[in-house]
Amino acid sequence: DSGVTQTPKHLITATGQRVTLRCSPRSGDLSVYWYQQSLDQGLQFLIQYYNGEERAKGNILERFSAQQFPDLHSELNLSSLELGDSALYFCASSVAGGTGYEQYFGPGTRLTVT
Amino acid sequence: AQSVTQLGSHVSVSEGALVLLRCNYSSSVPPYLFWYVQYPNQGLQLLLKYTSAATLVKGINGFEAEFKKSETSFHLTKPSAHMSDAAEYFCAVTADRGSSNTGKLIFGQGTTLQVKP
Repeated sequence: DSGVTQTPKHLITATGQRVTLRCSPRSGDLSVYWYQQSLDQGLQFLIQYYNGEERAKGNILERFSAQQFPDLHSELNLSSLELGDSALYFCASSVAGGTGYEQYFGPGTRLTVT
Repeated sequence: AQSVTQLGSHVSVSEGALVLLRCNYSSSVPPYLFWYVQYPNQGLQLLLKYTSAATLVKGINGFEAEFKKSETSFHLTKPSAHMSDAAEYFCAVTADRGSSNTGKLIFGQGTTLQVKP
């Protein structure tokens, strides 16, 4: 158990809908990362937050947004869902936001868009 | 930009045999390198990390990796495979240091390790 929790574990929804994925980092970790894992794209970095502020952006679509709250939990919002958004979404956390710190991954949320 | 290439999407070994999973990286600055393991239907677990302190890095579950700058490689090895090692393994590199100083990881495509009895 990494100490990172993600809810829900599974999500099935229809095209055009909006969903919210939730992540609670390990106790004491200030930075949260979101990654998408799909068969065709592999593991891709989406976005990073550090202590409530956006730190880095990766291959995140404009339909997707995220935020980190004062209690350090984070939410990833996916809207206008398309079939291609079906993937495993991971949250990871680290103690700080810079390069080289270990990232601890949650169990993931499997999103299926039908 | 940094990148990672894992040679071989599938590797099959017999139980008790040497495990060798290959990773080559590209980086314009000294990198931090990581190996993660993913068991079916689970998240990623950190096996080991290179931070420039030592070129031979020992990790959990008997795995180790050697950083070779001249070859831009960070191959993962284990002397004797166990059935429980069957999983997918990912090599990752951090993004550029310096001004960006973000911890985002760039992953290779992964290598599935099969262990035969």
